[in-house]
Amino acid sequence: GESVGLHLPTLSVQEGDNSIINCAYSNSASDYFIWYKQESGKGPQFIIDIRSNMDKRQGQRVTVLLNKTVKHLSLQIAATQPGDSAVYFCAENGFTSGTYKYIFGTGTRLKVLA
Amino acid sequence: KAGVTQTPRYLIKTRGQQVTLSCSPISGHRSVSWYQQTPGQGLQFLFEYFSETQRNKGNFPGRFSGRQFSNSRSEMNVSTLELGDSALYLCASSWKTGGDTEAFFGQGTRLTVV
Repeated sequence: GESVGLHLPTLSVQEGDNSIINCAYSNSASDYFIWYKQESGKGPQFIIDIRSNMDKRQGQRVTVLLNKTVKHLSLQIAATQPGDSAVYFCAENGFTSGTYKYIFGTGTRLKVLA
Repeated sequence: KAGVTQTPRYLIKTRGQQVTLSCSPISGHRSVSWYQQTPGQGLQFLFEYFSETQRNKGNFPGRFSGRQFSNSRSEMNVSTLELGDSALYLCASSWKTGGDTEAFFGQGTRLTVV
């Protein structure tokens, strides 16, 4: 079925290092993308979004890169901290099958090593 | 401003029973979407309601239904529960439908079917 995929199911990084989480999306018509963070026992939390007319957007310690040519999205976290340990989802949104809807990836678990 | 509130947080039901979950969106938000989250499938879109009307629907059987009230609160109902319905059910609210806007998630309702 429709899906947004992730290349790495689990990513382990040393505290202080930079993290890069990758995502491949399936719908070339998607024009809005979000990264969510989900900690254990909680709902997904918005991190950063990007629209298809941009290829890079920066937030606080996070950067999202969008490559529409290869339908690839990445989330970069600078100076990774223990509190960054969570599952990260990418999501695409666009007009598909006659309607707008979000399609989420299965998630990448980020483990920060002390 | 209060976030998205889902009740109950945890629920245990027996196969064949039915269940109703509730979601109160952020004040002023008129769009409520429901998702099923399982370890194997990730976040799967169930349906979206906007102004008391179902706008989008995912690929779930008719046992899954929902509704939205005039105050934008939404309920989701699952009839004839199956073991495979055990999951975390999340709702997300947005101020408008049609995508390209951030969706805020609740903490979810953990449903266990025994």
